[in-house]
Amino acid sequence: ETGVTQTPRHLVMGMTNKKSLKCEQHLGHNAMYWYKQSAKKPLELMFVYNFKEQTENNSVPSRFSPECPNSSHLFLHLHTLQPEDSALYLCASSQEYSDRTHYEQYFGPGTRLTVT
Amino acid sequence: QQQVKQSPQSLIVQKGGISIINCAYENTAFDYFPWYQQFPGKGPALLIAIRPDVSEKKEGRFTISFNKSAKQFSLHIMDSQPGDSATYFCAASRTGGNTGKLIFGQGTTLQVKP
Repeated sequence: ETGVTQTPRHLVMGMTNKKSLKCEQHLGHNAMYWYKQSAKKPLELMFVYNFKEQTENNSVPSRFSPECPNSSHLFLHLHTLQPEDSALYLCASSQEYSDRTHYEQYFGPGTRLTVT
Repeated sequence: QQQVKQSPQSLIVQKGGISIINCAYENTAFDYFPWYQQFPGKGPALLIAIRPDVSEKKEGRFTISFNKSAKQFSLHIMDSQPGDSATYFCAASRTGGNTGKLIFGQGTTLQVKP
């Protein structure tokens, strides 16, 4: 496997279900990100982890719970979601998350989530 | 202040033509302006990026033009090819505060007709 991988690629869940999205990066990076991509809207940053520590939470509802056990893996735990949470969830990684310079972000293919 | 406005929302160009996508921003502290290309079923990939100390950057058929006084930047795709058909996103961020935080435009869906 190379780059950033995400599983599953597609997920349909009911509003009372609990599911998890998984992201793995094979680039040796130290920062990982979750984005939400909805139709006709800009990509929205949800969470950032830098060296396994959460450094950004962009006012995301608590029904989304991230977990970063190590620099290569990132999870997004989902529970009691709403239909408006249906979207493409993208994971990305970069060398670091720094206030001194810009590091290119590499995106995975995303998980297409449908909440019924 | 944090928004990046992108236009047009969609664009159809004939093969060999020039595709132009525009973005405007308000926050003068932004100092990094990347463009991402996204094909269906794939995540966005960095295409080209510019910093405000230059007015133009060219990589192959792709050129970013940057107008600091107007707070605008644009992507030009010369000799557009059907393989360029994708969604393009502009973005902006700033050094010195959450540098990794990219503010994205709404995206432009480009279709290049053979």
